[in-house]
Formats: sequence, structure tokens, C-alpha cells
Amino acid sequence: EIVLTQSPGTLSLSPGERATLSCRTSQSVDSSYLAWYLQKPGQAPRLLIYGASTRATGIPDRFSGSGSGTDFTLTISRLEPEDFAVYYCQQYGRSFYTFGPGTKLEIK
Amino acid sequence: EVQLVESGGGLVQPGGSLRLSCEASGFIFSNYAMSWVRLAPGKGLEWVSGISAGGTTPIFADSVKGRFTISRDNSKSTVYLQMNSLRDEDTATYYCAKRITATGRSFDYWGQGTLVTVSS
Repeated sequence: EIVLTQSPGTLSLSPGERATLSCRTSQSVDSSYLAWYLQKPGQAPRLLIYGASTRATGIPDRFSGSGSGTDFTLTISRLEPEDFAVYYCQQYGRSFYTFGPGTKLEIK
Repeated sequence: EVQLVESGGGLVQPGGSLRLSCEASGFIFSNYAMSWVRLAPGKGLEWVSGISAGGTTPIFADSVKGRFTISRDNSKSTVYLQMNSLRDEDTATYYCAKRITATGRSFDYWGQGTLVTVSS
């Protein structure tokens, strides 16, 4: 089973700053199967990035994804107030989907 | 507009059973694989189970294998999750999610979730 590790666990930043979130997998994964989601309390998750770097429909261009192999990154270029939430990476392999433990992005 | 509406959650005793439903609209349901994902209190997202567009290929997380089954009725645009032998650790909000494409492996639409509480 592929294990996903996200860092940091919590990231404290101010609106307007740049956020860099990391997702590492325990073994190399197909980047076409790597996705990022955002979830706010009481709401359903929302797809941000799929295929490691493709923004989902309606996602603003301040969100970008990159990476390959075992190291993937979600970057938010300039934080808006609505971006503070929990972020999850997710991968698919060998008939299993796996989510990372999440990074909580909080307002400093 | 794509909509996924879950129902069937509630309070159940350990060892009990519950069936969740997710009714879809706004897309050709029979063309897309579907999954169930849960969020336990204080925990992160956990994928639970998935089923192919035609309903022939179910897959399960190890934590629920042998206890949960998944099925779908394409004539009703509905996917189901039958949960048996429920445990305290199955307490969570359960979301159904639509796979983005036939070949993709991410989820582009999610329901609002239904809460399952397993407690005596």
C-alpha cells in the first residue's frame, strides 16, 4: 500500500503570502493519478488539481501543482481569505485510492 | 448542474447495519465510476469503496473489506453502500464522489455527506 505524507501538518500564513504544501509518496506514483483537494469545516471536499498539475474547472490560477515520482507540491501564489482550510493530496494505484493526512492552512 | 445527494445515515449500535444511498443528477450517471469517501471526527479523508460505471468492478479499502458492499442502479442514477458489522471506528461523515473521467482517478463532484454514528 502506498502511504502519503503531507508537510507541514499546520501552516500559519497571512493573506497575500505564498503557501507551499508538500505531498510525498512512499513509492513512485503515476503523476496522472495525483490530485489535491481543499476542505472547509462542514463542507464537502473540492477538487483543486488533478494529474499533478492541471487545475480543475473554476479553480483560480493562484493555485498550481507540480512534481513527479514521489514528491509533489501545491503552491498558492497569493493567499486569499477563503483559502484557509485543510488541504489533502490523493493518489490512485493498484485498485486503491489513498489520501494524505492533510495540511491545515491557518491564518497567522 | 451536477448534484449528488446522500441519505441513509443515522445512529446505529455496534454490530448493526446501515445502507447509504447517493442519488445523482446533472450528468450521464451510467458513464462514470463512483466512490464513497469518509471523514471521521478529528481525522482525515479516507477512501472507502468504489464501483465501475457498469457496476461490475467493486473495490474496497482494507478497513471495510468483508463488511461493506457497494452497488449501483444506473436506471435510478443511484449508488449504494451497504454497511454491515459496524464498528465504533466507522463513525464518520460519508461522502459519495464522482470520478472525473473514465480514465482519471480523482473526484470532481462530491455530495454534502451523510453522518453515520456507531454507538451503544
